[in-house]
Amino acid sequence: QVQLVQSGAEVKQPGASMKVSCRASAYTFTDYYIHWVRQAPGQGFEWMGWINPNTGGTSLAQKFQGRITMTRDTSISTAYIDLGSLGYDDTAVYYCVRERMRPRRNFGFDPWGQGTLVTISS
Amino acid sequence: QSALAQPTSVSGSPGQSITISCTGTSSDIGDNDYVSWYQQHPGKAPKLIIYGVTNRPSGVSDRFSGSKSGNTASLTISGLQAEDEADYHCTSYASTIIPHVFFGGGTKLTVL
Repeated sequence: QVQLVQSGAEVKQPGASMKVSCRASAYTFTDYYIHWVRQAPGQGFEWMGWINPNTGGTSLAQKFQGRITMTRDTSISTAYIDLGSLGYDDTAVYYCVRERMRPRRNFGFDPWGQGTLVTISS
Repeated sequence: QSALAQPTSVSGSPGQSITISCTGTSSDIGDNDYVSWYQQHPGKAPKLIIYGVTNRPSGVSDRFSGSKSGNTASLTISGLQAEDEADYHCTSYASTIIPHVFFGGGTKLTVL
């Protein structure tokens, strides 16, 4: 079945960078957008941006611009998120999610990856 | 802009119907039909239950339905079942100068 499998939990120091991967399986990777969403402990979800795996084009939430990069490797059907200058408020579970491109976009996220806990701690 | 506004909690008895609201602005919910709803059980990743305001993905029970009026979207769950107890989140796309997807704060549904 369609799956998004993310890399494992990480602990990072303040000021460092993180990189989380998201490997897609059982569908054509370049036919669907990948979005990244996070949920801080006890908080709601926050959208971070999307990448078009076909073109590599991205749309990034204004809040993160300047310290976020989204990339992909189509040869291994994997998307990545890099977030730099980490602060304590970046502690969260990070999710990758899929959104269809055709016949037209619908901004419905299905499925979700299992989530990756990133903890910022000194 | 702030997140979409959802009630913190709602409750209902088995067999009843409940409605969860999600209020945005004319720049997001009121501007397009890109409203989605997600169900999240404790410790699990969210599951898409409604997209495009009213559409259910394959396999989602028809007890779940969505609607929209102006800047407010709604999720209705009919014939409440114990397994419906979960958190529910709404989202809306905003095609502003810098595109954005807004989330609601989430609503905890308790089945009494």
